[in-house]
Amino acid sequence: KNQVEQSPQSLIILEGKNCTLQCNYTVSPFSNLRWYKQDTGRGPVSLTIMTFSENTKSNGRYTATLDADTKQSSLHITASQLSDSASYICVVSAPWYGNNRLAFGKGNQVVVIP
Amino acid sequence: EAEVAQSPRYKITEKSQAVAFWCDPISGHATLYWYRQILGQGPELLVQFQDESVVDDSQLPKDRFSAERLKGVDSTLKIQPAELGDSAMYLCASSLLMDGNEQYFGPGTRLTVT
Repeated sequence: KNQVEQSPQSLIILEGKNCTLQCNYTVSPFSNLRWYKQDTGRGPVSLTIMTFSENTKSNGRYTATLDADTKQSSLHITASQLSDSASYICVVSAPWYGNNRLAFGKGNQVVVIP
Repeated sequence: EAEVAQSPRYKITEKSQAVAFWCDPISGHATLYWYRQILGQGPELLVQFQDESVVDDSQLPKDRFSAERLKGVDSTLKIQPAELGDSAMYLCASSLLMDGNEQYFGPGTRLTVT
């Protein structure tokens, strides 16, 4: 079973609307949780990184939240733009993984339409 | 802004042929990672280097895959012979240190095996 589960797998939203992506993880304890944006055919780019003691982190129109008690994180996209069409990957880093190994989710595929 | 460089960006090869990918990490980054990403999945770690030494290759199919980082800077990942199931995106990432630092990803090499 994957230690990082993301939902929904894919969604289509209208330009200008907001959306929220969910990430549930079982990795525990963990060092930090990251959200990456991956455009089609490109490598992932970091959006936010939160330690276990942080509850929220923003990067422009992207806001990530973290509830370490329920082991859930969300990524909220405000006023979506066409350029937000991408896969959003939730990644958890755990100290017991060693060597800076990361546990990746499968990603949320977002398509923004005009 | 410094970036991880990868080449080629796209590669089409016939099964049973040999193929090689190259990665140049961000200058000064001691840790280098090779990932394989199948379409619709999260990246899967293949091999991790600390300088020129392999620190984790537990997920590398060693019968056909090999990786080297001879001078502790750039790295080459080779597949010989390629199989149809090797078709995927191969991502290289680097981080300054091995201890939970941010990983920066390159643009990837899209491999298609026919």
